[in-house]
Amino acid sequence: QQPVQSPQAVILREGEDAVINCSSSKALYSVHWYRQKHGEAPVFLMILLKGGEQKGHDKISASFNEKKQQSSLYLTASQLSYSGTYFCGTEVRIGDMRFGAGTRLTVKP
Amino acid sequence: DSGVTQTPKHLITATGQRVTLRCSPRSGDLSVYWYQQSLDQGLQFLIQYYNGEERAKGNILERFSAQQFPDLHSELNLSSLELGDSALYFCASSLGAGPSYNEQFFGPGTRLTVL
Repeated sequence: QQPVQSPQAVILREGEDAVINCSSSKALYSVHWYRQKHGEAPVFLMILLKGGEQKGHDKISASFNEKKQQSSLYLTASQLSYSGTYFCGTEVRIGDMRFGAGTRLTVKP
Repeated sequence: DSGVTQTPKHLITATGQRVTLRCSPRSGDLSVYWYQQSLDQGLQFLIQYYNGEERAKGNILERFSAQQFPDLHSELNLSSLELGDSALYFCASSLGAGPSYNEQFFGPGTRLTVL
């Protein structure tokens, strides 16, 4: 039931864009995105619900393709503060959240 | 600061022992989730409680148990500890019965080391 994330890692220069993908083999109630910096707790970025909506948060946005059970996180004009590990969490049953293995993003000056 | 507190911050114990991890959710949050994070396995969902009742169960071992008390704090009990149980254990809380409409706020975690 664990979603699959890709890529596993990505290295960017400041100002570059990145896309992180998350896919599930099961129908989803929702998709969540979290960012975790080294040694810290995960921090919420956004929730996407059934309906294929796209949400944004500053220069970070995400989409959810309900038919394909896929979500993508878009980071535009990346900043040094974007570095961290990004996790997608998928909910196939209410309350049962499964996280992907994470995508390690490194932004260099 | 997420408003979720976890104690202790670090715990070192021996194989075969039993430990209790404690979590206090944010004020007003009724749901508590427990996760295990190992180096090679990412975030593994263990169990969720909503207002004192077990709501969802994930990859929680039979040696592990949890409960949520009337004041909404939660405890995760780990027994017959093995080396492989060494990990960071996170507690998270959210307002509603499930994560669908509510973000989860994570506590700072308890790092468990089993020697």
